Amino acid sequence: AQSVTQPDIHITVSEGASLELRCNYSYGATPYLFWYVQSPGQGLQLLLKYFSGDTLVQGIKGFEAEFKRSQSSFNLRKPSVHWSDAAEYFCAVGVDSGGSNYKLTFGKGTLLTVNP
Amino acid sequence: SAVISQKPSRDICQRGTSLTIQCQVDSQVTMMFWYRQQPGQSLTLIATANQGSEATYESGFVIDKFPISRPNLTFSTLTVSNMSPEDSSIYLCSVEGGLGNEQFFGPGTRLTVL
Repeated sequence: AQSVTQPDIHITVSEGASLELRCNYSYGATPYLFWYVQSPGQGLQLLLKYFSGDTLVQGIKGFEAEFKRSQSSFNLRKPSVHWSDAAEYFCAVGVDSGGSNYKLTFGKGTLLTVNP
Repeated sequence: SAVISQKPSRDICQRGTSLTIQCQVDSQVTMMFWYRQQPGQSLTLIATANQGSEATYESGFVIDKFPISRPNLTFSTLTVSNMSPEDSSIYLCSVEGGLGNEQFFGPGTRLTVL
């Protein structure tokens, strides 16, 4: 069965600093990979996704992620963090459930705190 | 992108009662998904709901506890039956859509069971 590991439960960075959130997955085939963000009291918003092609994926809000098959990783990066980026970040793997559909398996999330 | 609304946004319920959560989408979608997010935990898929057929439940979730309706292509309900404090969670619905088959999530329903 597929699984997603986010090794860092909580990360604190200073505003303006760079950010990298780690994500490792376990799945037998090439996965669909996603990063979502959940702000307090809000639903989940998709930051970016990888289905195929270029392994460096650009997303919204200045985020990017790189798929590394050899390391089974899909780490999320941002060169300069803003205070509004404080939220919980979830990595997810999509597993084909038939047709064009897939089911998502989420990691446990990484809580990001941004210091002024 | 799809716009998804859920009702209620939050509720506090007594043990042994049931709550029905509604999920409304602004466009027709084939698949709708229901997730649970327990306090401090990640999201876990409860079931997948196709219009006109029985929902497909994930391991650990059963229809008697979480009956789902999918009467049309824009609406679904999830009922949490015979609730206990362990059912206190955020329940989210999602749909698949967009150019990239992305999953869009509703704002969630925060349930507290006393």
